[in-house]
Amino acid sequence: AQSVTQLGSHVSVSEGALVLLRCNYSSSVPPYLFWYVQYPNQGLQLLLKYTTGATLVKGINGFEAEFKKSETSFHLTKPSAHMSDAAEYFCAVSPQGGSEKLVFGKGMKLTVNP
Amino acid sequence: KAGVTQTPRYLIKTRGQQVTLSCSPISGHRSVSWYQQTPGQGLQFLFEYFSETQRNKGNFPGRFSGRQFSNSRSEMNVSTLELGDSALYLCASSFFRGGTDEQFFGPGTRLTVL
Repeated sequence: AQSVTQLGSHVSVSEGALVLLRCNYSSSVPPYLFWYVQYPNQGLQLLLKYTTGATLVKGINGFEAEFKKSETSFHLTKPSAHMSDAAEYFCAVSPQGGSEKLVFGKGMKLTVNP
Repeated sequence: KAGVTQTPRYLIKTRGQQVTLSCSPISGHRSVSWYQQTPGQGLQFLFEYFSETQRNKGNFPGRFSGRQFSNSRSEMNVSTLELGDSALYLCASSFFRGGTDEQFFGPGTRLTVL
């Protein structure tokens, strides 16, 4: 079965600092990979996704992630954190060929300090 | 274009009761998926409907059921409520299934079981 690991549950950065949220997955075949963000009292919003092709994926709000098959990783980065980035971030994986049944990581709460 | 809507947004029930949650997908979307979000278990896939048929089901007891109508609106029902059913229930819709289509999430229904 596919699974997603997000180590830790909380990360704190200063405004302007690099944001790095780690995600590792287990899958017997290359999966589709997603990063979602959830703001308080809201649903999830897609930041970016990897399906096939270019391994460096750019998303909304300045985020990007790189798919590394050899490391089974899909880490999310942003060069400079903004206060508005404070939210919870979820990495998710789906079986090849569909995005309807997502397996999510536990989530990472990002705090941005002024 | 209106987003995914879920009603009601908040619900309080007592153990043993049953509850029905509603989800209206984005116009034209035919696939609707449901997820349960709890602090302990995180986000877990419940089921997915496409063209009024359940296509995928997660690992939840039979007390959890759902259906989809011809206009793609979906309902999920939980019978004989337990305290552990307290959660945020999220609905997501996408245009296709079996592809890389983004899932658009609603704001969720927060269910509290007393």
